[in-house]
Amino acid sequence: AQSVSQHNHHVILSEAASLELGCNYSYGGTVNLFWYVQYPGQHLQLLLKYFSGDPLVKGIKGFEAEFIKSKFSFNLRKPSVQWSDTAEYFCAVQANQAGTALIFGKGTTLSVSS
Amino acid sequence: DTAVSQTPKYLVTQMGNDKSIKCEQNLGHDTMYWYKQDSKKFLKIMFSYNNKELIINETVPNRFSPKSPDKAHLNLHINSLELGDSAVYFCASSPSGAYTGELFFGEGSRLTVL
Repeated sequence: AQSVSQHNHHVILSEAASLELGCNYSYGGTVNLFWYVQYPGQHLQLLLKYFSGDPLVKGIKGFEAEFIKSKFSFNLRKPSVQWSDTAEYFCAVQANQAGTALIFGKGTTLSVSS
Repeated sequence: DTAVSQTPKYLVTQMGNDKSIKCEQNLGHDTMYWYKQDSKKFLKIMFSYNNKELIINETVPNRFSPKSPDKAHLNLHINSLELGDSAVYFCASSPSGAYTGELFFGEGSRLTVL
């Protein structure tokens, strides 16, 4: 079974600081990888996803993530955060088989001060 | 038009009661899911249906019973509610078949058991 580990529980940054959120997964087969964001009081929205190809994927709002297969990692980055990036960030993994659910990490709370 | 809609958005009830949460998607997807988000924001898969057929049933108490009258609807019925059932329940959908990937989430239903 798949599992996901997010190392940072709560990250506090000032505006314009750089962001990196760690995500490691455990699964022996081929996986799809995702980062979702949940703004306060809202539902989950997809930030970016990796299925195959270029391991550096770019998402919405200036976010990017890099898949490092040898490290089973899919870290999320943003060069300069904004106050509006304050949210919960969830990494998720899905076995590359039809009909399988996404397995989520426990999330990282990002607080950005202006 | 809301792609994945859940009702009610908020539900406050007493222990021991029975309640239902409804979910509808207008995306034409074949697969639907229920996730539970606990007070620590941890998202856990509960059930998944593909074209009205149950395909994922995690270790969820028998008090929880999903029902899918058609592939656009997946309702969650909970019997004999307990304090620990208090959470936000998210419905999601995705295409199925050979496609694997992104889930589209509803806005969540916050259940509070007193």
